[in-house]
Amino acid sequence: SQTIHQWPATLVQPVGSPLSLECTVEGTSNPNLYWYRQAAGRGLQLLFYSVGIGQISSEVPQNLSASRPQDRQFILSSKKLLLSDSGFYLCAWSPIRGDTQYFGPGTRLTVL
Amino acid sequence: AQRVTQPEKLLSVFKGAPVELKCNYSYSGSPELFWYVQYSRQRLQLLLRHISRESIKGFTADLNKGETSFHLKKPFAQEEDSAMYYCAPVTGGGNKLTFGTGTQLKVEL
Repeated sequence: SQTIHQWPATLVQPVGSPLSLECTVEGTSNPNLYWYRQAAGRGLQLLFYSVGIGQISSEVPQNLSASRPQDRQFILSSKKLLLSDSGFYLCAWSPIRGDTQYFGPGTRLTVL
Repeated sequence: AQRVTQPEKLLSVFKGAPVELKCNYSYSGSPELFWYVQYSRQRLQLLLRHISRESIKGFTADLNKGETSFHLKKPFAQEEDSAMYYCAPVTGGGNKLTFGTGTQLKVEL
């Protein structure tokens, strides 16, 4: 069966420090991959999605970037974190475009 | 601009009462629509999708193209229905979901 993992579960980082959040999927090939941010009172915002290795679509201009170095690995990064980057980050995958998305457990990021 | 609206941030009902979580969209054509749910301390997960026309945990949702709505309904709320509910149409040429801001449903005894 397919599973999706995210780590770390919780992260506290100072302003200006770099960031790397990792997401991996098991049990499937060539998934569509997604990064979301869930902020209090603002719902779920799509940040990036990828339909294949090296193919990244950015949804909102921001301080973050994403990469997909392997088929089932999706990384969210920042060179210098801002206070406004704090939030709950969710990774998701779907088998084909427009299909059900399956979510990871999320990473709680606090930037101080 | 294309958007999805969930007008209620919080909806509180008594156990056994009917529930309707509102969702309106402004996308052209016939979008594929989903409802996702996040129970306390659990992952966000699919509740139902309109194309399957099924009832999940007693919930149903009908796509009303005239009103551009996809409201989620249940005739008798249960305590375990308390959760955060998100409406999400497929957009971006079928590559992505656009989530609404969500409605927190609280079922009181």
